[in-house]
Formats: sequence, structure tokens, C-alpha cells
Amino acid sequence: EPEVTQTPSHQVTQMGQEVILRCVPISNHLYFYWYRQILGQKVEFLVSFYNNEISEKSEIFDDQFSVERPDGSNFTLKIRSTKLEDSAMYFCASRDRGPSPWEEQFFGPGTRLTVL
Amino acid sequence: SQELEQSPQSLIVQEGKNLTINCTSSKTLYGLYWYKQKYGEGLIFLMMLQKGGEEKSHEKITAKLDEKKQQSSLHITASQPSHAGIYLCGADMVKIIFGKGTRLHILP
Repeated sequence: EPEVTQTPSHQVTQMGQEVILRCVPISNHLYFYWYRQILGQKVEFLVSFYNNEISEKSEIFDDQFSVERPDGSNFTLKIRSTKLEDSAMYFCASRDRGPSPWEEQFFGPGTRLTVL
Repeated sequence: SQELEQSPQSLIVQEGKNLTINCTSSKTLYGLYWYKQKYGEGLIFLMMLQKGGEEKSHEKITAKLDEKKQQSSLHITASQPSHAGIYLCGADMVKIIFGKGTRLHILP
């Protein structure tokens, strides 16, 4: 069964360092997402990506964040200068097609980012 | 903006008992997801509901969406230890807006 994969499973970094979280969405999917979950809090939307550009982003997704689909298979989230409050579980998700009709969004297993 | 409220926040149930988790939306739902999450792990898709009055079942879990499409319930029959975890409802607005989750503990 196809699945979304994410690497690494756990990333530890020093405050101020850049990190890149990687995701491989399901191969024929067109819509890609990043979500995050701070420990003990709810899963929050960060950004959606379609047709090689950002389609929507939340207030959390400020200038420190960027996304890229560099090679047609990977989907990356970059945090330029990490802060302590960026420590969270980051989930990548993908879906086959858009809202009509609705299709399931498939989630990856997550990358736990710890900023020291 | 869309808000989802889940109740209860936490639930402790004896193994074998039935239970219900509720999810109420501040706006009409166009699609409603139920996911399960084990602590610190990823999200496991359970069901997606789209039509008012729709009901879906998978093994011992049944989810319903009310006619007005503002409320959904998740019902587990004859609960087992494997059902323990955090249950999340999510409103599909192209992106998913999640509720805070219901933490379910099953006592043996």
C-alpha cells in the first residue's frame, strides 16, 4: 500500500541553525501539506502546495519557513533559523486531487524536531 | 474561522464497554475526518464523512455525521486495549482543521 514517508524520524538541532525536513509523498498525488503538533497541543496546518507553488499558508508559516519540491518526488520544509518554540512533531501529508470530490489526506509518520 | 470542539477531552473506559466521542463544528462541515494517534506518533486514518446523515463503520468503530453537517460522533463497541489513543476529528477545508483530540484509555 502506498504511503507518505518522512526523514529523519527525529532531528535535534541548536537554536539558530537551519533544518530541512524531508517528505516523499505518494507518487501520483498532487497536493502536499505540512502540519505541526507541539507536544500536548493540537495538530496545526502550516502550508499547502500545489502545482509547484504555495496555495495557502497559516500565520505560523512566516519568513523563517519555506517549502520546496526540488525533484518531483521529495517535498521539503526548511526552517532557516530555528527557535526553541519550533520544537514539535512535523507531519507531511498528500492527497490525490482537490476538494471535489473530497479525497483522503494521507499523513506521514512525522519528524520530531527538538531545538536546544 | 472554523473551530472544532471535541468532547470529552479524556475518557477512561473498562475493556468491553461501549463509548462515544463527539465533535462539534462552528460552521457547516464539507468533509469530516476521524484520525487516531498514538502518543508521539503519526495519524492513522479511520474514516471520512461527507454527506449529511452519513454513517460509516470499520470493524468496531462507527462514525456518523448529522443531517445539518455540524456534528459528528465516533462510537466504539466492545472496546479493546488496542483502541487506546487520541482520537482527532478534522474539518476538511482543503487543509484540515483539527480538534484538540479525545484521549481514550482502556482499563483491562
